[in-house]
Amino acid sequence: GAVVSQHPSWVICKSGTSVKIECRSLDFQATTMFWYRQFPKQSLMLMATSNEGSKATYEQGVEKDKFLINHASLTLSTLTVTSAHPEDSSFYICSAPDTMGGNTIYFGEGSWLTVV
Amino acid sequence: DAKTTQPPSMDCAEGRAANLPCNHSTISGNEYVYWYRQIHSQGPQYIIHGLKNNETNEMASLIITEDRKSSTLILPHATLRDTAVYYCIVRANNYGQNFVFGPGTRLSVLP
Repeated sequence: GAVVSQHPSWVICKSGTSVKIECRSLDFQATTMFWYRQFPKQSLMLMATSNEGSKATYEQGVEKDKFLINHASLTLSTLTVTSAHPEDSSFYICSAPDTMGGNTIYFGEGSWLTVV
Repeated sequence: DAKTTQPPSMDCAEGRAANLPCNHSTISGNEYVYWYRQIHSQGPQYIIHGLKNNETNEMASLIITEDRKSSTLILPHATLRDTAVYYCIVRANNYGQNFVFGPGTRLSVLP
């Protein structure tokens, strides 16, 4: 199947700093990508929909100024957690639909963020 | 909210078939049934999807009832590496349509 890659796989940052997570579709183009967050022992929760060439759409309760999303190209979306706090520590996962593969959605490997 | 209900957990003996049920009684005519699994600390992995016909691939089989209100994912010969959380999701196959995840079924394959 199609491949979606995230970087970094894990990151530790200090409170108050910002951290960027990249999501790339390696063998297909994606005008839309989705960002999820998953806390331990819980299911995935959609944070926002990233749109190439336009602003991201955020789910209710997700602060757009804290979680900055930039869909820079047809193969790259980035999520920047600004002024990170310990409660932002979580598993962040991106996904993208493969239009050539019947719009099946493929997920990245996920990125563990720990804020200390 | 997720439009599917699944048992929270199941056990299966190694080498036996694992049959994971899913109820989706409010599924719409244009919505597909998708199955993903998530192994600990990894992103969800695509398994299979279908609209109304039964489907089979190298990983699993998907059996959808005629009224489409429920389905069953079958792993024909479960191995220890199949231990994971399995998510059943219904979704219209439109570009830009995201997934809504429920809690899934935690499958434990026992030696």
